[in-house]
Amino acid sequence: QVQLKESGPGLVQPSQTLSLTCTVSGFSLTSYDVHWVRQPPGKGLEWMGGIWGDGSTAYNSALKSRLSISRDTSKSQVFLKMNSLQTEDTAIYFCTTRGLRAGDWFAYWGQGTLVTVSS
Amino acid sequence: DIQMTQSPSVLSASVGDRVTLNCKASQNINKYLNWYQQKLGEAPKLLIYNTNNLQTGIPSRFSGSGSGTDYTLTISSLQPEDVATYFCFQHNSWPLTFGSGTKLEIK
Repeated sequence: QVQLKESGPGLVQPSQTLSLTCTVSGFSLTSYDVHWVRQPPGKGLEWMGGIWGDGSTAYNSALKSRLSISRDTSKSQVFLKMNSLQTEDTAIYFCTTRGLRAGDWFAYWGQGTLVTVSS
Repeated sequence: DIQMTQSPSVLSASVGDRVTLNCKASQNINKYLNWYQQKLGEAPKLLIYNTNNLQTGIPSRFSGSGSGTDYTLTISSLQPEDVATYFCFQHNSWPLTFGSGTKLEIK
């Protein structure tokens, strides 16, 4: 059974760095990619980036200069780090992965974690 | 970046109605189009992938169609539990992008 769960601080100060962890179960990080998607309160979804089974990464160009995604396969964890946070980075942050069929992007999601950027 | 435009932004319909939601891409996305349903306070749920493939466990009243730049999600008979926001998503080109959503309400 595929499961993902995000964890991290609920509050981050402006200009600081956000660190989130996605802990997965039911699949191997060496075989499946994991992505981060965020959603400002009451707004739409934004793909942030992902890490593939071979460890390669891809980022949304709008965030690339601030964003880093890494993993620890032994702990089944994927990490997101984003620096220079501003109030507009306040959002629910989801980690997500694909299913088994070609094209079924984001078939599985974590519950999401709300991050508020405020002093 | 490929822009995904959804219409309408809000749709109000009655139980039992046939409902159509629209999604238009700023360029050809070769049917690499998915639909997600998001209920209040929940994570999105994959409904349809690659334009017209129903995800496992999704009721058959949901269907998708389209090609090129224009895509639709159809609910053949609206049910109360379908109240949600629906997002389209393209995975043809980087960066992957979502539409802004259609909020579906019951009259």
